Amino acid sequence: RKEVEQDPGPFNVPEGATVAFNCTYSNSASQSFFWYRQDCRKEPKLLMSVYSSGNEDGRFTAQLNRASQYISLLIRDSKLSDSATYLCVEKGGMRFGAGTRLTVKP
Amino acid sequence: DVKVTQSSRYLVKRTGEKVFLECVQDMDHENMFWYRQDPGLGLRLIYFSYDVKMKEKGDIPEGYSVSREKKERFSLILESASTNQTSMYLCASSRTQQGTGYTFGSGTRLTVV
Repeated sequence: RKEVEQDPGPFNVPEGATVAFNCTYSNSASQSFFWYRQDCRKEPKLLMSVYSSGNEDGRFTAQLNRASQYISLLIRDSKLSDSATYLCVEKGGMRFGAGTRLTVKP
Repeated sequence: DVKVTQSSRYLVKRTGEKVFLECVQDMDHENMFWYRQDPGLGLRLIYFSYDVKMKEKGDIPEGYSVSREKKERFSLILESASTNQTSMYLCASSRTQQGTGYTFGSGTRLTVV
């Protein structure tokens, strides 16, 4: 089993939709998680950290579910500019998910 | 505002050549990493370093080595390039081992012919 797994998608959603991605991890001792955004032919860029209490940044909400060993990213009111690949990372193990591709359509 | 710099954006090398990929960060981070990214496989860790002259193998170190002689510079070396090392190589640095995220360089797309 992979250390960190993501649904690769693609997710195709209309503008204004709410979309959620999950990322499961296998190491129950993992402490540190992040979400990254990667545009085509660009490097990944930090989107947000994931805390046990959950955290929100504008339209984006990240949550950690330790009991079920997954993290999630929720995007509300999707914009065309949200189209990208979203990567989760378990920092302690330095492992990334393979990424979930999101396309937001007009 | 550049923080992690990779020396080449695109590189074409011949099979059997020794290849050096350079990475420099200006954030005084102790932790540096080399990943490769391939379609469908995501980012895979090649080597990492938590301090000068320190190096640790990641998940796929075979065919690679690294050098960290100075804090700001972490070099990836392909001892004898092979076609299966054609990939996007991403260097990253991080202020802490766990609590802070990575800052990535813009990547080097290496093609081995």
